[in-house]
Amino acid sequence: QITLKESGPTLVKPTQTLTLTCTFSGFSLSASGGAVGWIRQPPGKALEWLALIHWDDDKRYSPSLSSRLTITKDTSKKQVVLRMTNMDPVDTGTYYCIRDSGPDFFADWGPGMLVTVSS
Amino acid sequence: DIQLTQSPSTLSASVGDRVTITCRASQNIFTWLAWYQQRPGKAPKLLIYKASSLESGVSPRFSGSGSGREFTLTISSLQPDDFATYYCQQYNYYYTFGQGTKLEIK
Repeated sequence: QITLKESGPTLVKPTQTLTLTCTFSGFSLSASGGAVGWIRQPPGKALEWLALIHWDDDKRYSPSLSSRLTITKDTSKKQVVLRMTNMDPVDTGTYYCIRDSGPDFFADWGPGMLVTVSS
Repeated sequence: DIQLTQSPSTLSASVGDRVTITCRASQNIFTWLAWYQQRPGKAPKLLIYKASSLESGVSPRFSGSGSGREFTLTISSLQPDDFATYYCQQYNYYYTFGQGTKLEIK
């Protein structure tokens, strides 16, 4: 059974850096074809893809947010970490960890975690 | 950036109805399109990939079609659990989502 779960702070201040961790089980990121990433959703709004890291450490970022994002993986811990710098209230939303089950579409999602950016 | 425009934004229907949601891409995305269902407070659920392939375990009442720039998701014989928000996603160039279609009970 594949599971993913997000963890991290639920409240960050403007200008701070957000660090989110995705802990997964039921698959390996060291196997050919695996990839894990992040998608977010502001309250009441649409989904927005953020970043993806492949088993071979190939990394892809949303072009509009690439300067603020860093994605890394720890294969032995089965974790993927997303860092987003210079947080702003518009970054408030639910952040989902996802597995690329396609390639390039997402059948497996974490439950999501709400991150609020406020002073 | 590839933009996806869904229509309608809101759709009112009754149990048993057949409904269709449209997703238009700003450029040719071949058949690199997926559809998701999202219930309130829950993560999205993959329904369709490669425009018309049904994800394992998904009811055959859901079907997808289209290629190029225009795509449709059809739900036949609506059930109470189907009232949710639906999103299309392109994966021809990076990944973008449509703005969503909320399916409401009439």
